Amino acid sequence: SQQGEEDPQALSIQEGENATMNCSYKTSINNLQWYRQNSGRGLVHLILIRSNEREKHSGRLRVTLDTSKKSSSLLITASRAADTASYFCATDARNSGYSTLTFGKGTMLLVSP
Amino acid sequence: IAGITQAPTSQILAAGRRMTLRCTQDMRHNAMYWYRQDLGLGLRLIHYSNTAGTTGKGEVPDGYSVSRANTDDFPLTLASAVPSQTSVYFCASSDDGRGTDGYTFGSGTRLTVV
Repeated sequence: SQQGEEDPQALSIQEGENATMNCSYKTSINNLQWYRQNSGRGLVHLILIRSNEREKHSGRLRVTLDTSKKSSSLLITASRAADTASYFCATDARNSGYSTLTFGKGTMLLVSP
Repeated sequence: IAGITQAPTSQILAAGRRMTLRCTQDMRHNAMYWYRQDLGLGLRLIHYSNTAGTTGKGEVPDGYSVSRANTDDFPLTLASAVPSQTSVYFCASSDDGRGTDGYTFGSGTRLTVV
C-alpha cells in the first residue's frame, strides 16, 4: 500500500506563480524524497530531506518536513511551463539496514504560459 | 551517458507467454529495483536487490522473478504473462541502498498483455 499520499491530485497555475504540493505519510521515516516525472518518461530525483531536517532548498525548490504531523510540502517558486509534470513523494521503508522507497500517487502540475 | 538502459521500450505480449524485461546500469550502483506504474495506483515495488547475488520481494512480487548475477544487470521475468500485468515497468538503482541518496530511473518499458 502507498506510504505517501500527495495533495492535490492535480494543480493548474500560470507561469510565474508558486506551486505547492503536499505529502502525508503513515509511519516513521528515515528520509523523504521528491521526484518529477515528465509524460512518458522515467522519474527524476529532485531533493531528499532527512527526518532530522525541517527545511531544505535546491534552486527554485523548497521542501519542508514536519515529522510530528507526518507531512511534507514541495514549493516550486516562479514556476515555468517546463515545470509541467507529475510530482511524487517517496519515503524509505528501512528493512534490515537497507531501504526501499514507497511512492505516493503523485500530483499532476500544469503550468500555463 | 551514465544511467540505466531498459529494453524493450514497449512490447505487446500474448497472455501465457514468457517475457524478460532487461535493465542495465553503468554507474556501479549496488542496489537495483523494479517498479510498475499503473494509472491511479502510482508506483509499486515488485522486486529489489541490495547487492549482486541477493534479491528481495517488494509489494507486488507475484508472477514476477528477478536475478542479480552481477552489479550491472537486473532482469525481470514474467513466467506466464496475464492481462493484469499490463503496465509501465521502471527499473531504478541507487548507490548504497541505505536510503542516503536518491534513485536513478530508467525510461521504462510499456508492456501490454493481450
